[in-house]
Amino acid sequence: GDSVTQMEGPVTLSEEAFLTINCTYTATGYPSLFWYVQYPGEGLQLLLKATKADDKGSNKGFEATYRKETTSFHLEKGSVQVSDSAVYFCALSASYGNKLVFGAGTILRVKS
Amino acid sequence: DTEVTQTPKHLVMGMTNKKSLKCEQHMGHRAMYWYKQKAKKPPELMFVYSYEKLSINESVPSRFSPECPNSSLLNLHLHALQPEDSALYLCASSHPPGPSSYNEQFFGPGTRLTVL
Repeated sequence: GDSVTQMEGPVTLSEEAFLTINCTYTATGYPSLFWYVQYPGEGLQLLLKATKADDKGSNKGFEATYRKETTSFHLEKGSVQVSDSAVYFCALSASYGNKLVFGAGTILRVKS
Repeated sequence: DTEVTQTPKHLVMGMTNKKSLKCEQHMGHRAMYWYKQKAKKPPELMFVYSYEKLSINESVPSRFSPECPNSSLLNLHLHALQPEDSALYLCASSHPPGPSSYNEQFFGPGTRLTVL
């Protein structure tokens, strides 16, 4: 079945450091890919998405590129802030599917 | 309006109580979802409604009973819950799957449920 694998956390960075959170997937067909962020005590917010190969999703300084050849969708940000501290979930949705398949989540802690 | 709202924000109930969680969206979405999320884990899908009809039940115990009164509202009725049901319950909505829909789901803030 479809699955998503994320790098384990927590990831601890200093402010202004470069961020990469790895995400790889297994799916048949052409899934859509998403990054969601969950701040403490809140629900999930859609951070960015990509719906076909080589698409780059971007939002709030975060970027991720849909790489079909490596089945990856790694999240990057050039300079993190303390306010980026949260849990980040990579997810996929199969073609014409109702279900989101989530990775385990990666906790990000940014220190000032 | 790109918001999904949920009430109440917090709920404490005993194992013999009956309570309901409510979810509302005004984005014109015709698919709505209930998820359960335990601490430090990803959300687990419970139910999916598509065009106000239940389309997916992920083998959820009958003490959880969903209801979709109209295209904007989704309820989750709770009865005789167990302490292990304590969790964050999240509602989400999206356009139903189709040629131009990518199942981009929008989540509410959740209801933090504690079962004593």
